Parts: sequence; C-alpha cells; structure tokens
Amino acid sequence: ETGVTQTPRHLVMGMTNKKSLKCEQHLGHNAMYWYKQSAKKPLELMFVYSLEERVENNSVPSRFSPECPNSSHLFLHLHTLQPEDSALYLCASSQEASGGNNEQFFGPGTRLTVL
Amino acid sequence: GENVEQHPSTLSVQEGDSAVIKCTYSDSASNYFPWYKQELGKGPQLIIDIRSNVGEKKDQRIAVTLNKTAKHFSLHITETQPEDSAVYFCAAAKKGIKAAGNKLTFGGGTRVLVKP
Repeated sequence: ETGVTQTPRHLVMGMTNKKSLKCEQHLGHNAMYWYKQSAKKPLELMFVYSLEERVENNSVPSRFSPECPNSSHLFLHLHTLQPEDSALYLCASSQEASGGNNEQFFGPGTRLTVL
Repeated sequence: GENVEQHPSTLSVQEGDSAVIKCTYSDSASNYFPWYKQELGKGPQLIIDIRSNVGEKKDQRIAVTLNKTAKHFSLHITETQPEDSAVYFCAAAKKGIKAAGNKLTFGGGTRVLVKP
C-alpha cells in the first residue's frame, strides 16, 4: 500500500449505530487530518493531529470522536449520527517541518450515508 | 479566521481553450496558496502551489498568479484537455507559523468540464 488509504470506502448506518472510519498513511508523515466534504461545504476541516496530539477541533459535534494511536493511523468514531452527517469523509496527512512544503496528501475518502 | 471565496462554481470550456479560476482570501497573513484537483471517486491532489514571495509560478500547462495587495490568486490552465475535467479547489494557509498542523482553508470548488 502506498499513500493514504481509507476504509471502508462506503458505509451505510442507522442513527443508533456505532461505527469507525479508519485512515492509514504510508508516507512517514507526522500530521493527520479529518475533513468533511458535502454539497453545502465542500472541504471542511474537522480535526488536526500533529505528532499524535490533537491540535485543532473546529467545533465538531461530540458524536464524532477522533483517535490517533500513532503517527500512521487515524480513526473517526461515529455514534448517534444524524442524516445531515451524510457526506464524504476525507483523511489527509502531511509532514510538518519548519520551512517545509507541508503538502497535504489525501485519501480517497469514505462515503457515509446515515439513514 | 480566514475566508476563501472561489469563482466560478462551474466552468465549461472547449478542448484546447484556456480555463481560469479565481480566488480571494481575507487574511493578509496568509502566505501559502495551493491548488488541488479532485477527480471522481478520488481525494484532492495538489497540482501547484505558490508562496507570497512570488507573483507567478508555472508548471507546463498550469500557472498560478498571486496579487497580495488585492488578496486574490488565480489558476490558469492552457490548452485544456478532457482529462483536465475535475473539481478544482484553491486554499490558503499561514506557513511558517509555529502552530502544529497545516490548517488549509479551502474555497468552495470549481467544477471544470472540458468538452471534446
């Protein structure tokens, strides 16, 4: 595997379900991100982890819970979601370095549908 | 916080013609402006970026210009081809600031269709 991978690619869940999205980066990066992409807000930053520490939470509802156990893996735990949470959830990673490019590499996303 | 506006939201061009997408930003401290291309079923991919100490950058058929005074930057695609059809996003960030994480603020996206 190369780059940034995300599983599952598609997920359908009911409002009472609990599920998790997984992201793995094979680039040796030290920062990872969760974005929500929907028709209303095309690329909305949800969480940022740098060196496995959460450094940004853009006022995301508590029904979304991120977890970053190490620099290569990022999870998004979902519980009691609403239909308006249906969207494409994108994971990204970058190498944070002073003066560096800091280019973000995106995974293919998980298409989530909440019934 | 930063706000990035992108226009147009859709753009249809004939193959071989040029395409121009424009973005404006609000935070004068922003100094890094990447452009991403998103094809169907894929995540966004960086195609070109520019920093605030440069006014123009070119990479083959793609060029980006930056006007710091007016706080706007543009993507130019020349000699468009069908494979250029995709959604393009501009973004802005403050690089070099000692804050963990590279927080990009994205524009709303432009759906480009190149007609053969």
